[in-house]
Amino acid sequence: KAGVTQTPRYLIKTRGQQVTLSCSPISGHRSVSWYQQTPGQGLQFLFEYFSETQRNKGNFPGRFSGRQFSNSRSEMNVSTLELGDSALYLCASSWTGTSGGAGPDTQYFGPGTRLTVL
Amino acid sequence: GDSVTQMEGPVTLSEEAFLTINCTYTATGYPSLFWYVQYPGEGLQLLLKATKADDKGSNKGFEATYRKETTSFHLEKGSVQVSDSAVYFCALSKRGSQGNLIFGKGTKLSVKP
Repeated sequence: KAGVTQTPRYLIKTRGQQVTLSCSPISGHRSVSWYQQTPGQGLQFLFEYFSETQRNKGNFPGRFSGRQFSNSRSEMNVSTLELGDSALYLCASSWTGTSGGAGPDTQYFGPGTRLTVL
Repeated sequence: GDSVTQMEGPVTLSEEAFLTINCTYTATGYPSLFWYVQYPGEGLQLLLKATKADDKGSNKGFEATYRKETTSFHLEKGSVQVSDSAVYFCALSKRGSQGNLIFGKGTKLSVKP
């Protein structure tokens, strides 16, 4: 079974540009979460999508947005890039995304997209 | 708010040494707890998890026990190998949360032959 895939793996952009990152979840998984990883702030939750709807959102400005398609693939977009947006962006998928009474719905991570903003 | 605190790294050990990486959490209710590992240039891999108090998660020789009384989930391995060199993240998930894992800062482990 194929794992979570993310494209592209590396991106270099300049300040003010926008960028779109793509994530394909494990087949059958309907929940996709996005995280930003930086040396200073560590791993921070961006948002989560389930059945094409954003269910949960972290504390990031509106420049960060996302969407999910009917096949559960997800994209995230960052507009008006800033130097501080340089980071590894990780996508994770799970069956339902909800930590429930029977235990958590385990998240499986992709390799990430390394974004560098110059 | 909810948070996870891990011991600061880096941790450097010789092969076959005993490993402990401390993790404590602050959260209301009964979170589920995880250890993830990140090898250089890769994403995160789930190492082990525990969903309720006194549960012990184990995988590949690593173990961690969910201690509610001390709000801890320390990672241990009896004999580390060079291949265990990686960054280890402790994380929690609140019951009912949707796709939101809360991570510690990570602990870098280097194992020397």
